Amino acid sequence: GQNIDQPTEMTATEGAIVQINCTYQTSGFNGLFWYQQHAGEAPTFLSYNVLDGLEEKGRFSSFLSRSKGYSYLLLKELQMKDSASYLCAVKRGGSYIPTFGRGTSLIVHP
Amino acid sequence: NAGVTQTPKFRILKIGQSMTLQCTQDMNHNYMYWYRQDPGMGLKLIYYSVGAGITDKGEVPNGYNVSRSTTEDFPLRLELAAPSQTSVYFCASSYSELANEQFFGPGTRLTVL
Repeated sequence: GQNIDQPTEMTATEGAIVQINCTYQTSGFNGLFWYQQHAGEAPTFLSYNVLDGLEEKGRFSSFLSRSKGYSYLLLKELQMKDSASYLCAVKRGGSYIPTFGRGTSLIVHP
Repeated sequence: NAGVTQTPKFRILKIGQSMTLQCTQDMNHNYMYWYRQDPGMGLKLIYYSVGAGITDKGEVPNGYNVSRSTTEDFPLRLELAAPSQTSVYFCASSYSELANEQFFGPGTRLTVL
């Protein structure tokens, strides 16, 4: 199946840490993406995980557990500009085109 | 490089009208995609293309058509607009099937009344 589950909305405080989870069905898994999308703008690429573990890129990190069908995006030292929607997308073997989840709307408040 | 460009940015159509959404990329990418995004529903794939002259249906192709006569251009055609086609449309491209990133255009906001 193509089910990809993310929380609809999260709120956090400026300067804090937030973790956005994504779960998916494990059959045929071939890679997982995270994209950031500000309101009224296009999605922009954040990370790609294909092997288990944590990948760190500045304030953002992405984790993958293939056996559990689970990923998270970790945002540290939150800034107001991090208020956006975060899209999880999964690529499956046999199809190079990722399927997107519904996205998590993150609101960062002072 | 301009990346992926889309025109128009906004459009209002009446039911039954037709229009073409334009998409152009200057990165020499082989793969191009059309998505629609409805509020709270994520991105749904309409059509995609793996190279000039080759197109294929995605998850929600009904009511749309595409063509790919050049590597750069991938227009999306709506023949008989319906209110259900009110959405934001994004065009994207990637270099190959092994590429780990899609590049998105700024989007076209379409309203059908």
